[in-house]
Amino acid sequence: GAVVSQHPSWVICKSGTSVKIECRSLDFQATTMFWYRQFPKQSLMLMATSNEGSKATYEQGVEKDKFLINHASLTLSTLTVTSAHPEDSSFYICSAVGQDKSYGYTFGSGTRLTVV
Amino acid sequence: KNEVEQSPQNLTAQEGEFITINCSYSVGISALHWLQQHPGGGIVSLFMLSSGKKKHGRLIATINIQEKHSSLHITASHPRDSAVYICAVGAGANSKLTFGKGITLSVRP
Repeated sequence: GAVVSQHPSWVICKSGTSVKIECRSLDFQATTMFWYRQFPKQSLMLMATSNEGSKATYEQGVEKDKFLINHASLTLSTLTVTSAHPEDSSFYICSAVGQDKSYGYTFGSGTRLTVV
Repeated sequence: KNEVEQSPQNLTAQEGEFITINCSYSVGISALHWLQQHPGGGIVSLFMLSSGKKKHGRLIATINIQEKHSSLHITASHPRDSAVYICAVGAGANSKLTFGKGITLSVRP
């Protein structure tokens, strides 16, 4: 079945640094990638939607200059948290929709970001 | 009122029990998804439904479009079924999903 590989699975970084999270679709072409964040005991919150070759569409309240999303190819999308602050500490997860839309959404395994 | 409501909020069961988790939604959808999230955080897509019923192993998912309601059933529950079960709905292919808050299921041995 469809697999999305997300790396890293966890990362600790210092305040002010940037962190890049990658999601790769391994056996299908992801036409759309969704990026979510999840706080403890909370549900997933959509941050942005990216389509291959296009600029990402950000949800209200999400700073596009802080959370940079690149979807340059059909198999790779990246989320870069720039100038990270402790309040950015969260669980980030991607989900992809392939060209065969009947398959549904495939989720990455998530990245636990801790900013110290 | 949330667009996607799940019940019960938390559920504890004894191994072997039949479990039902419910989901109601208030928006028009093209598909409903049942997702499983384990303590490590990774999410697995269990089912995508637009009508009727689907079965996979011990899991059965049903949806009633007219009543805007779906159920996830787990037969012969096992401790490894302990996880958060999330219902999500989408309005169309490639559309963003609206998530329920999830239900935490604990199955005791």
